[in-house]
Amino acid sequence: DIQMTQSPSFLSASVGDRVTINCKASQNINRYLNWYQQKLGEAPKLLIYNANSLQTGIPSRFSGSGSGTDFTLTISSLQPEDVATYFCLQHNSWPYTFGAGTKLELK
Amino acid sequence: QVQLQQSGAELAKPGSSVKISCKASGYTFTSYYISWIKQTTGQGLEYIGYINTGSGGTNYNEKFKGKATLTVDKSSSTAFMQLSSLTPDDSAVYYCARLTTEGPDAWGQGASVTVSS
Repeated sequence: DIQMTQSPSFLSASVGDRVTINCKASQNINRYLNWYQQKLGEAPKLLIYNANSLQTGIPSRFSGSGSGTDFTLTISSLQPEDVATYFCLQHNSWPYTFGAGTKLELK
Repeated sequence: QVQLQQSGAELAKPGSSVKISCKASGYTFTSYYISWIKQTTGQGLEYIGYINTGSGGTNYNEKFKGKATLTVDKSSSTAFMQLSSLTPDDSAVYYCARLTTEGPDAWGQGASVTVSS
């Protein structure tokens, strides 16, 4: 199985900050990498698919980049409603596998 | 809009089985696969498998073969997952999610399963 190493595990930032979260795949996954946001008690929500495509309805402050093994989710200007845990998912090879998550809180 | 409505929380005894449902609405059910994901605090998110809602064909993560059985009822646009021979390690929140060529997009609200004697 492909291992997804996500960093950092925990992140504290202020409103308006630029925030970056990283995922590294144990082998090439091309651009088949999605990012999800999960708020407490809710289901994950798709933010970015195929590394850099913004899902419909998601604010443009969210963006994704990368290909191959290294990927980044960026929040350009952190908002209070962005407090959540963020996960990456590779869907290049079965079984699809998730990163362990990054818990984002407000400083 | 696309919605996946899952059945409620389950409390089950070790050795028993549970069957979770996932009713889809807002799109043509048979145009997309339905996938199932397990979430625990310790193991995080794990993909269990997916089902072709048109043919009923399935693909399982090796780890969950023999544990999970996926089925579908096209007449009611509902997918099901049965978990058998339950142990405390099966206690988790289980999600269904619509599976597109870009990965899972819409998710159900989750169904909590607690295995305890």
